[in-house]
Amino acid sequence: DAGVIQSPRHEVTEMGQEVTLRCKPISGHNSLFWYRQTMMRGLELLIYFNNNVPIDDSGMPEDRFSAKMPNASFSTLKIQPSEPRDSAVYFCASSLFGTGDGYTFGSGTRLTVV
Amino acid sequence: QQQVKQSPQSLIVQKGGISIINCAYENTAFDYFPWYQQFPGKGPALLIAIRPDVSEKKEGRFTISFNKSAKQFSLHIMDSQPGDSATYFCAAVYPSGGSNYKLTFGKGTLLTVNP
Repeated sequence: DAGVIQSPRHEVTEMGQEVTLRCKPISGHNSLFWYRQTMMRGLELLIYFNNNVPIDDSGMPEDRFSAKMPNASFSTLKIQPSEPRDSAVYFCASSLFGTGDGYTFGSGTRLTVV
Repeated sequence: QQQVKQSPQSLIVQKGGISIINCAYENTAFDYFPWYQQFPGKGPALLIAIRPDVSEKKEGRFTISFNKSAKQFSLHIMDSQPGDSATYFCAAVYPSGGSNYKLTFGKGTLLTVNP
């Protein structure tokens, strides 16, 4: 398996633009997590899905952020409109539901909003 | 409290030395404690993990020591090598309803091993 695949690796966009980050989890994993990493706040859980259903989105900072998982092999995190304070590295991770362990992270998307 | 407090923020060790990173928690519902290693430009990768019914776990040069009564756990890297230079995160997993689990991270420790 190629692991968790995220795209793009880097994204530079202007304030106010829409940004879409993509994630392909490991085949067979049925839990998917979106994290944001910044120097100030470390790794923060934004939202997670079990069997494609959003379970907890309490970490999503604002209504400008939304996430979808239309099928077991694909998820998106969208920011609309983007702001400079959204600049961070966004990670997607997947695991087997109900295990509490075995999280595998992707390589992340470094987002810069100018 | 769904927090894990990690120290130090940064650590410099000479090659061959012992690196020690400490973490503390409050929530007794945490039931799994993994450590992640992150290299620049990469995502965190699971390094070693322990459950609270065990006081120590060793895998190669990496050892987790766990003190349940003190709610503390630590990572020891023996014979530290320059290739160990990375950011290390302690983490804790807790049940969040039904069969759902959430993983919360410490703020990380940047380890530099000098040759």
